[in-house]
Formats: sequence, structure tokens, C-alpha cells
Amino acid sequence: AQSVAQPEDQVNVAEGNPLTVKCTYSVSGNPYLFWYVQYPNRGLQFLLKYITGDNLVKGSYGFEAEFNKSQTSFHLKKPSALVSDSALYFCAVRDMVRGNTPLVFGKGTRLSVIA
Amino acid sequence: NAGVTQTPKFRVLKTGQSMTLLCAQDMNHEYMYWYRQDPGMGLRLIHYSVGEGTTAKGEVPDGYNVSRLKKQNFLLGLESAAPSQTSVYFCASSSDYYGYTFGSGTRLTVV
Repeated sequence: AQSVAQPEDQVNVAEGNPLTVKCTYSVSGNPYLFWYVQYPNRGLQFLLKYITGDNLVKGSYGFEAEFNKSQTSFHLKKPSALVSDSALYFCAVRDMVRGNTPLVFGKGTRLSVIA
Repeated sequence: NAGVTQTPKFRVLKTGQSMTLLCAQDMNHEYMYWYRQDPGMGLRLIHYSVGEGTTAKGEVPDGYNVSRLKKQNFLLGLESAAPSQTSVYFCASSSDYYGYTFGSGTRLTVV
């Protein structure tokens, strides 16, 4: 079965510092990987995805993520955090072998950027 | 450019009452999904549909029913609401493997 782990419930970072939000996954085949962001009282918004190709994926709002197959990780990163990045972040995975099955989401990591 | 629209946005139900949540998408997407979001639990899949007239169970289907009579609509029903169904419900749709478009959610409280 496919699964996603976000080991940190909360990440705190000072504005201007780099940020990392961690994600590890488990699938039987090759993964499709996604990051979504949720602002208060809103739905989830797509940030970026990894399907195939370059292991470093660039997405919206200056975010990027690095796919590491050997470590089964897909950590979200940003070189310089903004207060406006404070939100709830979800990692999600789909197993390519299983076709268009629904995404499986992690439990989410709350990012707090402090001015 | 509405995307995915959920109605209602808020609802309070008494235990045992029934209700239907409506999800409508205008992107001609084949796939539609219902998730619930609870604190510390992330998003859990309730039911989903891979096309008009089809439905399938997700991770937490008990107490819910769904219908996809029209391609653009995906209805989630609660026949007899329970306090454990207090949650925020999100609908999403997709056209392929490459990610979802989410609605803004329905906040349901069962008292």
C-alpha cells in the first residue's frame, strides 16, 4: 500500500532563513509526488509535483523539492522564508504502477515563519 | 473560471439528521473525490469516482454515500449524521495523474 509520512507536525523558522519541510513515502512502484499548501479557511492549493526527470522540481512561490529515490524522500525547500509562507503543507503520493488511483496525503506540517 | 465549487460552506446538523453536500466542477474532469480533514489526521479519502455513473470506496467510507449521476457533479450524503462526522469536507477533481483541483471546503458540525 502507498503511504506518506511527514515527521514534523510543526516547523518554525525565522523570516529570511531557509526552510525545509520533510516528507518520506512508500510505494510498490515508482511514485508521483506532490506538495500542496493550505492557508487558513481555504482549500488546498497545488505547489509542485514530481513525475519523472530532474530530481529537483521547482514550483510556485519560490518553493522547490528534491526527489531522492534511495531515501524515498521528497522534502520541500525554500531558500528564504517569508511570513506569508506560514500555512499548512501536505505531501501526497500516487503509485504509478497502480494507475490513476487517488492521492494519499500525509498528516500535514504546519509552517510558522516568524518575523 | 469557477473550478470546483462546494455547497454549503457551513452546516450544523443534529445527530440523526441527513444532508447532502454538493460538489460541482466546470473543468470537464473525469475523476472526483471526497476527503475529510480532521486535526492531526490529514486528509482521508471517503469515496471517489473515476467517471460518470461510477463510485468507489476510499479509506473511511462508513456512514457516507455518494452519487455521480452527471460528470460535473459529485454528491456526498450523510443518511444519519453522528458527532464523529464533524469535520471539514473537501471535494477535488482531476483529469489525469497530475494532481487535483480542490474546492474551498464544507465545515460540518454534528451536535
